[in-house]
Amino acid sequence: DSGVTQTPKHLITATGQRVTLRCSPRSGDLSVYWYQQSLDQGLQFLIQYYNGEERAKGNILERFSAQQFPDLHSELNLSSLELGDSALYFCASSPTSGGPLSTDTQYFGPGTRLTVL
Amino acid sequence: DQQVKQNSPSLSVQEGRISILNCDYTNSMFDYFLWYKKYPAEGPTFLISISSIKDKNEDGRFTVFLNKSAKHLSLHIVPSQPGDSAVYFCAASAYYGQNFVFGPGTRLSVLP
Repeated sequence: DSGVTQTPKHLITATGQRVTLRCSPRSGDLSVYWYQQSLDQGLQFLIQYYNGEERAKGNILERFSAQQFPDLHSELNLSSLELGDSALYFCASSPTSGGPLSTDTQYFGPGTRLTVL
Repeated sequence: DQQVKQNSPSLSVQEGRISILNCDYTNSMFDYFLWYKKYPAEGPTFLISISSIKDKNEDGRFTVFLNKSAKHLSLHIVPSQPGDSAVYFCAASAYYGQNFVFGPGTRLSVLP
């Protein structure tokens, strides 16, 4: 158990809909990262938040957005869903924001499996 | 263009033998590398890491080797056990960031 929790575990929805995925980081971790893993694909970094602020952006679509709340949990919002958005969405956390000499490791949650029909 | 490559999608090894998983990267700014293991229906689990100031890091049965000039790293598992059967991801990060870039993964099967 990594200490990172994600809800829901599974989500089935229809095209055009909007969903929210939730992540609670490990106790004490300030950074939250979101990743997407499509079928037979590697992990794609979407976005990072550190202590409530957006820190880094990866391959995140404009239809997707995220935020990190004062209690450090994070939500990933996916809107106007398309069939191709079906994937596993992982959240990870780490203690710091990174930067020079950072050797933080990211600890991953179990993921949310999103199926868009 | 993939910045982190794992050119072997799968690898089969006999129990007790050595497993060698390879990873190549193209971005010379990468200076921190990690290996993750992923079982089906679970999130990735951190295995071992190495900083660019080292060329080897060992943790029990797992050893990671880094060849900076070749932009290549490898994970050695000795001896391999059936429980090691999983998908292994190599990840890299540049000095000033933590935006880990992951490779596509290698599926390791350790045969009893």
